[in-house]
Amino acid sequence: AQSVSQHNHHVILSEAASLELGCNYSYGGTVNLFWYVQYPGQHLQLLLKYFSGDPLVKGIKGFEAEFIKSKFSFNLRKPSVQWSDTAEYFCAVSGGYQKVTFGTGTKLQVIP
Amino acid sequence: KAGVTQTPRYLIKTRGQQVTLSCSPISGHRSVSWYQQTPGQGLQFLFEYFSETQRNKGNFPGRFSGRQFSNSRSEMNVSTLELGDSALYLCASRVTRTGGNTGELFFGEGSRLTVL
Repeated sequence: AQSVSQHNHHVILSEAASLELGCNYSYGGTVNLFWYVQYPGQHLQLLLKYFSGDPLVKGIKGFEAEFIKSKFSFNLRKPSVQWSDTAEYFCAVSGGYQKVTFGTGTKLQVIP
Repeated sequence: KAGVTQTPRYLIKTRGQQVTLSCSPISGHRSVSWYQQTPGQGLQFLFEYFSETQRNKGNFPGRFSGRQFSNSRSEMNVSTLELGDSALYLCASRVTRTGGNTGELFFGEGSRLTVL
């Protein structure tokens, strides 16, 4: 069975600080990996995705993530956060036709 | 292209009642998934339908059921509502590509259910 662990439940950063959110997954086959974001009062939207190829994936709004197969990790990074990045971030995994499994989410609060 | 549409957006029910939620996927998307979102629990997978057939199922009791119609629209039903069923119910659609690789999920805004 596939599973996702997000170790940081609540992160508080000052503007311009660097961000790294951890995500580890468990799945025995070829994986598809995702990061979604939910801004306050808005619906979930895709930040970035990994299907195959270059393990360093760039997404919207300056976010990137690196797939490290040996560590079963897909950590999300941003070099300099802004107040507008305040949101909840979800890591997700799926394999082939399997369901998409989400982590419990990380709430990011950016202080101006 | 219109996004995923869920109705109703908000509803209040009492314990023991039943509720039906509706979801219209993005045009061309044949897969529809349902999730329950609660604080601290993240998104819990309910089920996924593809071409009117349930393809994947989560670990929810039988009170939670769903179906998909020939136009890919989907409904989920919760019978005998309990207080713990209060949550945001999210619907998401995705394409299914050849070779077994599915695309990313596109979410609706959700139906917020309150059970009193």
